[in-house]
Amino acid sequence: AQSVTQLDSHVSVSEGTPVLLRCNYSSSYSPSLFWYVQHPNKGLQLLLKYTSAATLVKGINGFEAEFKKSETSFHLTKPSAHMSDAAEYFCVVSDWDTDKLIFGTGTRLQVFP
Amino acid sequence: EPEVTQTPSHQVTQMGQEVILRCVPISNHLYFYWYRQILGQKVEFLVSFYNNEISEKSEIFDDQFSVERPDGSNFTLKIRSTKLEDSAMYFCASSYRGRRTEAFFGQGTRLTVV
Repeated sequence: AQSVTQLDSHVSVSEGTPVLLRCNYSSSYSPSLFWYVQHPNKGLQLLLKYTSAATLVKGINGFEAEFKKSETSFHLTKPSAHMSDAAEYFCVVSDWDTDKLIFGTGTRLQVFP
Repeated sequence: EPEVTQTPSHQVTQMGQEVILRCVPISNHLYFYWYRQILGQKVEFLVSFYNNEISEKSEIFDDQFSVERPDGSNFTLKIRSTKLEDSAMYFCASSYRGRRTEAFFGQGTRLTVV
């Protein structure tokens, strides 16, 4: 069965420094992977997706993620954090034989001035 | 930009009462979903709906729950006889192609059962 593990429940960075949010997945040989962001009192917004095309995926707001099959990872990065990036980030997996999205437990990103 | 809309944003109900959560998916989408997030816990899949029937459901989605697409635009989740543990944020989502594609989520309905 597919699953995702977000390795950090909280990440704190200073504004202008790089962001790294880590995610490992367990799935079939051909998963689809997503990152969603949830700002306080808001819904879930899609940041980016991997669906078996290029392994380096660019998303909105300067975020990107790299699919590494050998490491079963899909870490989210951003070169320079902005205060508005403070939110909860969810790594999500979907497999070829199911309709459902499987969410990780989330990583809360704090950005300090 | 098209979006999924949910109403109400917050619903308070007494234990044992029935509630209906409403959603308007993106208009050309064919697959519809409900997820929930109990406070402090993961977002969990409840049910998926395609071609006017349930295509997949989780263990959580028992006889207490039902879904309906009554008029070609709305997608509803009914919870009969609510329990305290049904208190959660309920998210509606839709997608165009279903499997292995992204879903677009609404803002959520916060259900509080008292």
